[in-house]
Amino acid sequence: GIQVEQSPPDLILQEGANSTLRCNFSDSVNNLQWFHQNPWGQLINLFYIPSGTKQNGRLSATTVATERYSLLYISSSQTTDSGVYFCAVKTGANSKLTFGKGITLSVRP
Amino acid sequence: NAGVTQTPKFQVLKTGQSMTLQCAQDMNHEYMSWYRQDPGMGLRLIHYSVGAGITDQGEVPNGYNVSRSTTEDFPLRLLSAAPSQTSVYFCASSPNSGQPQHFGDGTRLSIL
Repeated sequence: GIQVEQSPPDLILQEGANSTLRCNFSDSVNNLQWFHQNPWGQLINLFYIPSGTKQNGRLSATTVATERYSLLYISSSQTTDSGVYFCAVKTGANSKLTFGKGITLSVRP
Repeated sequence: NAGVTQTPKFQVLKTGQSMTLQCAQDMNHEYMSWYRQDPGMGLRLIHYSVGAGITDQGEVPNGYNVSRSTTEDFPLRLLSAAPSQTSVYFCASSPNSGQPQHFGDGTRLSIL
């Protein structure tokens, strides 16, 4: 099956800093989502982005499907951005959403 | 609009007991799925359903049963709980399998 690798596995930032989180995948995808899992365990949809670029406030994401990667940008980070960020993909008609292992982000005040 | 609702939020079981994790959505979504999340890992698919009356196995189906008698509900059953099933369980739904999924808040299950 498809492999999803996220990097870096852990990231520590000072409040106000910018960061880039990466998701590489091993096959063509027709669905890619970024999620934020907050310290309470809730999974929050950030972006549905199988290709192209989207922005939502301080967050933006770009997926280059032909090169099989996606990037999540966080600007002017805040302590509330802390948590785990997951990338998840689907291929073709497969109904299975495959998750990466996540990137743990800690933003310090 | 409640979205995806999971009950209970927490549960402790003894080995060999059975229980049902409930999942309900009020968005008329056809696609529903169950995942488990273990420490240091992403979510892994247990079972999924593309519509009422249709279910299929995911990546880690052993030890779990599901049914989909209505569009709204997708319960997950543990017939004989084992310590290896200690995990956090998430239910998700989407209009169809190609659309972004929305997750419930999870059920934290401990099996002693």
